[in-house]
Amino acid sequence: GENVEQHPSTLSVQEGDSAVIKCTYSDSASNYFPWYKQELGKGPQLIIDIRSNVGEKKDQRIAVTLNKTAKHFSLHITETQPEDSAVYFCAATSYNYGQNFVFGPGTRLSVLP
Amino acid sequence: EAQVTQNPRYLITVTGKKLTVTCSQNMNHEYMSWYRQDPGLGLRQIYYSMNVEVTDKGDVPEGYKVSRKEKRNFPLILESPSPNQTSLYFCASSSTGFWEYFGPGTRLLVL
Repeated sequence: GENVEQHPSTLSVQEGDSAVIKCTYSDSASNYFPWYKQELGKGPQLIIDIRSNVGEKKDQRIAVTLNKTAKHFSLHITETQPEDSAVYFCAATSYNYGQNFVFGPGTRLSVLP
Repeated sequence: EAQVTQNPRYLITVTGKKLTVTCSQNMNHEYMSWYRQDPGLGLRQIYYSMNVEVTDKGDVPEGYKVSRKEKRNFPLILESPSPNQTSLYFCASSSTGFWEYFGPGTRLLVL
């Protein structure tokens, strides 16, 4: 089955700097890769996703890149702000059984003012 | 407002005392699911449902039951809770099976 690893487990950056979180997956059949942001006391919120037919996707200050050959994908946050502080989760699945997401263990991002 | 609601948000119980955590969504989604979140393990799927009366096991279904009698509701039942079911539980819903909406979570402590 699929296994998703995520690094780093914690990340501290200065406000305005960039943050990068990386995930690796094991199942070459996976072709959908979402990222979630979880703020304290709340449920995960889908912030961006990427499908295997593209290598990069951007949405304002966040972007996701995918390297299918190496089986890794990354979340990039530019110009970080204190409200970006949260736990971020990556996940992987296949269109054929989309509901069976496998999540990474999470990265706690702290943006220091 | 599109939302997934869960009740209760916090629950302390004792081993063996049956409990139900409710989940409701107002988006007319076919797909619903339950996840548990434990430190260092991310989110793991317990059960999911593809429509009314259609449910299937996720990765960690042992000790849990679900039912889907109405499209909007997907309760999680622990018939005989044990301390290893102490966790943070999330309900999710989606129109596609790709989980777009999560509830606020239910923190359960089993003594």
